[in-house]
Amino acid sequence: QVQLVQSGAEVKKPGASVKVSCKASGYTFTSYGISWVRQAPGQGLEWMGWISAYNGNTNYAQKLQGRVTMTTDTSTSTAYMELRSLRSDDTAVYYCARDNPYQVGSNYAYWGQGTLVTVSS
Amino acid sequence: QSALTQPASVSGSPGQSITISCTGTSSDVGSYNLVSWYQQHPGKAPKLMIYEVSKRPSGVSNRFSGSKSGNTASLTISGLQAEDEADYYCCSYAGSSTFEMVFGGGTKLTVL
Repeated sequence: QVQLVQSGAEVKKPGASVKVSCKASGYTFTSYGISWVRQAPGQGLEWMGWISAYNGNTNYAQKLQGRVTMTTDTSTSTAYMELRSLRSDDTAVYYCARDNPYQVGSNYAYWGQGTLVTVSS
Repeated sequence: QSALTQPASVSGSPGQSITISCTGTSSDVGSYNLVSWYQQHPGKAPKLMIYEVSKRPSGVSNRFSGSKSGNTASLTISGLQAEDEADYYCCSYAGSSTFEMVFGGGTKLTVL
């Protein structure tokens, strides 16, 4: 069965970086993409960006451009999301979700369990 | 990219039907049949309930249905059950100029 297993909770200081991993199993990793979605405490869902595990193409949310980088390691079927220059309002649960391999615009039938990133001095 | 607009809360009694609206613009909801709906229980990851406006994934109850008119998409839940109490989010493709997805602000459904 399709599974996305994310790395554990992180606590970071303002200005630092965080890298969250999402290990996929139960399907051919390079036949899909991965999108990242975050949710601040008590708030709604926010789309962060997408990466194709097929060809490495990416699209990022404009508000995160320059601070976020998404990558994949096809040898381990793992996707990564790195967020830099962390601020307190980056405190959120970060989710990965399986997506279309060719372009943004799909739906998310499979999700990781979420990774809590806390930014605090 | 601005979030899609959803009512903050809706409620209904068991057995009743409710509808949650999701209003976007002609650049997102109005232009693409790429609207999906997610159910989220507290502390859990979202679950896909409807995709491409009105399609239901395997395993999702046929009590859930979706539609769209102009810039507004809607999720209807019929025969409300206690386990339907959750947060619901709509999501839409936001256009080929931005290549982004946009979520609604979420709607808390209370089953009375």
